[in-house]
Amino acid sequence: GQNIDQPTEMTATEGAIVQINCTYQTSGFNGLFWYQQHAGEAPTFLSYNVLDGLEEKGRFSSFLSRSKGYSYLLLKELQMKDSASYLCAVRDSNYQLIWGAGTKLIIKP
Amino acid sequence: ETGVTQTPRHLVMGMTNKKSLKCEQHLGHNAMYWYKQSAKKPLELMFVYNFKEQTENNSVPSRFSPECPNSSHLFLHLHTLQPEDSALYLCASSLQRGSQETQYFGPGTRLLVL
Repeated sequence: GQNIDQPTEMTATEGAIVQINCTYQTSGFNGLFWYQQHAGEAPTFLSYNVLDGLEEKGRFSSFLSRSKGYSYLLLKELQMKDSASYLCAVRDSNYQLIWGAGTKLIIKP
Repeated sequence: ETGVTQTPRHLVMGMTNKKSLKCEQHLGHNAMYWYKQSAKKPLELMFVYNFKEQTENNSVPSRFSPECPNSSHLFLHLHTLQPEDSALYLCASSLQRGSQETQYFGPGTRLLVL
């Protein structure tokens, strides 16, 4: 079966750095997405990785290792507004998006 | 503002009611999706429309009936729902199904079935 694993919940301190991991087992691979979802709001697109390596976008970076079936989202200089759920999704060989259950990130002052 | 709107934002209905959820996208996309989001579970894809044609129906019970009159509008008709259908229903759109598939989501309809 196809599976995406990410931690259920993480806590970090304002101003710090946090890394949210995502591991996947899917039928083929056609890219990995990270989305941010604030409580009661729409998921919003953060990043897309299809090749190995690090993609940096401001305070957020996303890393992919296809050989290891592994990605992480790195958030730097954490702000209170970063408190949200972070969803990892992988597009398989049929272009179906397989979703993780999301990681709830709690930022403390 | 994501360019995808959904109405209503909240809905409470009894098991014998009939209601409809509406989604509209203003992004010029050709693919639209319905998802169900339950607490602490992955997003469940329900239906996919690509260029107004339904391309996927992921074993969704017949009490959920989608309608896509054009590429900008998507409906989900609900009837005789069960309490376990209570969830957040999200609509999304993308340029097209397949490679051009960064999906953009609406804010969702929070549904409670009593």
